[in-house]
Amino acid sequence: AQKITQTQPGMFVQEKEAVTLDCTYDTSDPSYGLFWYKQPSSGEMIFLIYQGSYDQQNATEGRYSLNFQKARKSANLVISASQLGDSAMYFCAMREPLNTGTASKLTFGTGTRLQVTL
Amino acid sequence: ETGVTQSPTHLIKTRGQQVTLRCSSQSGHNTVSWYQQALGQGPQFIFQYYREEENGRGNFPPRFSGLQFPNYSSELNVNALELDDSALYLCASSLEGRRTQYFGPGTRLTVL
Repeated sequence: AQKITQTQPGMFVQEKEAVTLDCTYDTSDPSYGLFWYKQPSSGEMIFLIYQGSYDQQNATEGRYSLNFQKARKSANLVISASQLGDSAMYFCAMREPLNTGTASKLTFGTGTRLQVTL
Repeated sequence: ETGVTQSPTHLIKTRGQQVTLRCSSQSGHNTVSWYQQALGQGPQFIFQYYREEENGRGNFPPRFSGLQFPNYSSELNVNALELDDSALYLCASSLEGRRTQYFGPGTRLTVL
């Protein structure tokens, strides 16, 4: 079974600074996908960024980038130029194939609460 | 493009009752997944529906059941509610063969 570990329950960062949120994973599948989601206090899970196991380059989406180190099985999220609106829970997740066809599920970590301060 | 919507937003039930939660998938998406998120935890996969058939299930008892309709909307039904069923229930939709699941705002269920 796949496993996602997020060791930082909470993080603080000053506005306009960069922050790295850690994620390590464990899987025996050679093909997998890694995701980061943001969950504000409202509850909705907002997709941020995706990295495929065979992607040669680290994924980037605006201020978000994923530091993918395959040998270390880590997929850290880097947020540059933090904004007050970035304060939220952040979840790392891995796509796990289900029984047949294209069926898959997401396995989530326990999350990191990020607080952006002035 | 319409995003994933869920109803109701909040719900309060008593132990032993039954509940139905609803989800409308994002336009063009034919796959719907349901997740349960207990307080302070990450979401846990309940099941997935594709073309009106359940095609994958997590470690949840049979009293958790679902449906998917021809328009790809979906329902989650929970019978014989228990106190531990209190959680945020998230619905996510995706396009067949695509990688990303897009989530709705969730339904917060409280069981008293």
